[in-house]
Amino acid sequence: SQQGEEDPQALSIQEGENATMNCSYKTSINNLQWYRQNSGRGLVHLILIRSNEREKHSGRLRVTLDTSKKSSSLLITASRAADTASYFCATDADQGAQKLVFGQGTRLTINP
Amino acid sequence: DSGVTQTPKHLITATGQRVTLRCSPRSGDLSVYWYQQSLDQGLQFLIQYYNGEERAKGNILERFSAQQFPDLHSELNLSSLELGDSALYFCASTPGGGAEAFFGQGTRLTVV
Repeated sequence: SQQGEEDPQALSIQEGENATMNCSYKTSINNLQWYRQNSGRGLVHLILIRSNEREKHSGRLRVTLDTSKKSSSLLITASRAADTASYFCATDADQGAQKLVFGQGTRLTINP
Repeated sequence: DSGVTQTPKHLITATGQRVTLRCSPRSGDLSVYWYQQSLDQGLQFLIQYYNGEERAKGNILERFSAQQFPDLHSELNLSSLELGDSALYFCASTPGGGAEAFFGQGTRLTVV
């Protein structure tokens, strides 16, 4: 079963607006990562947030982590058409096993 | 370029056949993950290897097997192929320890 669940499944906004995607997970984690995938391509790592961190920034990206609610959010500010892609969260769900488990993803469309 | 190489990029084969997908991880990365992505779906974790040993197993069918060789490249073997096995198969590598994963561009398998 999937560890992470992204919400919403699809999001369509106008260029320049902010996009927020959420991820919920089930078990305790060491870290949570966000990845981006352009259609049919390999995933590209965006940002990693550790379980003892609450917020992290990278350029136009802002990630928050709430371990008490087992949830994370990814905010993309001032969106651009080039941000159109699918976004996935991933968790290392099992200590020791270190497997990286992905959610179903949010498909983001930025309209010019 | 992620540094992870997957071959072949495309593969078309008939039901009942057997194929081998190959992955060369980034230089120095010890951990290799395999994922299956069906059309418009999330990534299903199949299996993880670390320095030649199986580390974690996901929803991998008995018809599928994998191994990691001493030079750290990995192969995913798919046998008795069915139409439903048509998907993108991704390999990712990490140094280990829950670090960010680097993905190959995938092998698109079509079973006809």
